[in-house]
Amino acid sequence: AQKVTQAQTEISVVEKEDVTLDCVYETRDTTYYLFWYKQPPSGELVFLIRRNSFDEQNEISGRYSWNFQKSTSSFNFTITASQVVDSAVYFCALSKLYGNKLVFGAGTILRVKS
Amino acid sequence: DAGVIQSPRHEVTEMGQEVTLRCKPISGHDYLFWYRQTMMRGLELLIYFNNNVPIDDSGMPEDRFSAKMPNASFSTLKIQPSEPRDSAVYFCASSFPGGGTGELFFGEGSRLTVL
Repeated sequence: AQKVTQAQTEISVVEKEDVTLDCVYETRDTTYYLFWYKQPPSGELVFLIRRNSFDEQNEISGRYSWNFQKSTSSFNFTITASQVVDSAVYFCALSKLYGNKLVFGAGTILRVKS
Repeated sequence: DAGVIQSPRHEVTEMGQEVTLRCKPISGHDYLFWYRQTMMRGLELLIYFNNNVPIDDSGMPEDRFSAKMPNASFSTLKIQPSEPRDSAVYFCASSFPGGGTGELFFGEGSRLTVL
């Protein structure tokens, strides 16, 4: 069975601080995808990144970066120099390589204060 | 390009009433998913379709819930009879052909309140 754990229920930071959201996953599959989605206060789910299990290279996109470590089954997400607009619920998710069935973590509420 | 379209955006109904939620996936996508989001249980997959055929409905809570996909551009999720514990946001999502990318495109959700 697949499982995603986001141990941090809620994080509060002050604008311009860096913040890391943790994600730990469980799967018996040797190949799989990992994702991060953002859910802003408006409610829609916005895709941020997909990483496949073949590729353990870290990725950076602007102020966002992701650290994938297969050895510890973790896929952590860091926001550098956080902004108020980053306030949202962030979900980590896992799927098999085919079929697109995503299993989501419980989400982490990020509050960025000005 | 139009995204995934869901209707209604908000629905308030009384216990025992039938509720029908609708979804139009992105044209060309062959996977369609129904998720439910609650504070207690987070995001749960209810059912998903591939090429209009239900593939996995193991997440459907009980017989009161049913989902159909009569064609590639339309799906419904029906709850009959509805109960207060069904109150949640229901999301529809679709994804690219072949299932190789894994990325889901979500609609804006239908917020259901059952009184």
